[in-house]
Amino acid sequence: AQTVTQSQPEMSVQEAETVTLSCTYDTSESNYYLFWYKQPPSRQMILVIRQEAYKQQNATENRFSVNFQKAAKSFSLKISDSQLGDTAMYFCAFMKPIYGGSQGNLIFGKGTKLSVKP
Amino acid sequence: GAVVSQHPSWVICKSGTSVKIECRSLDFQATTMFWYRQFPKQSLMLMATSNEGSKATYEQGVEKDKFLINHASLTLSTLTVTSAHPEDSSFYICSADWDTEAFFGQGTRLTVV
Repeated sequence: AQTVTQSQPEMSVQEAETVTLSCTYDTSESNYYLFWYKQPPSRQMILVIRQEAYKQQNATENRFSVNFQKAAKSFSLKISDSQLGDTAMYFCAFMKPIYGGSQGNLIFGKGTKLSVKP
Repeated sequence: GAVVSQHPSWVICKSGTSVKIECRSLDFQATTMFWYRQFPKQSLMLMATSNEGSKATYEQGVEKDKFLINHASLTLSTLTVTSAHPEDSSFYICSADWDTEAFFGQGTRLTVV
């Protein structure tokens, strides 16, 4: 069974600074997807970034980037130029496609509560 | 992007009654939807996989007779919490995938009193 581990329950960062959230996972699969989701106080799940395991290049989305180390099964999220609106719970998630590239269920880590301080 | 709408956003019910939560894909068809449960300050845990036109697949430890799932059309899945008890109070979230990305409903906060 796949597992996802986020070892940092809480983190804080000053506005405009950079912060890195850690995530490790365990799987015997070779084809899978990794995600970072943001859950603000509204509790709406928002996709931050995704990474396909077969792609060696690290995904980036504006101020968000990942450091994907497949051999080490590590998938950290870097947030640059942190903004107050980045304050939220961040969940790392693993997904194995079930068929035809369709989405399987997501397996989530326990989350990291990020606070951006002015 | 695709939109998943979940209703109601919050509900309070008396112990012993049943509550139905709807999850709709508004602009795409979803043969599979997922139902998650999230306790306060905890992560999302998969409860069941809802399959259009067939029985749902429940995760280990989830009572299928208590959490009834119906996926009667390609745009609607419902979760009915039967004979609700205070320990069923939680945040329930559905998701559906489109173009290999998961889209989540807004979630339903259920409080059983």
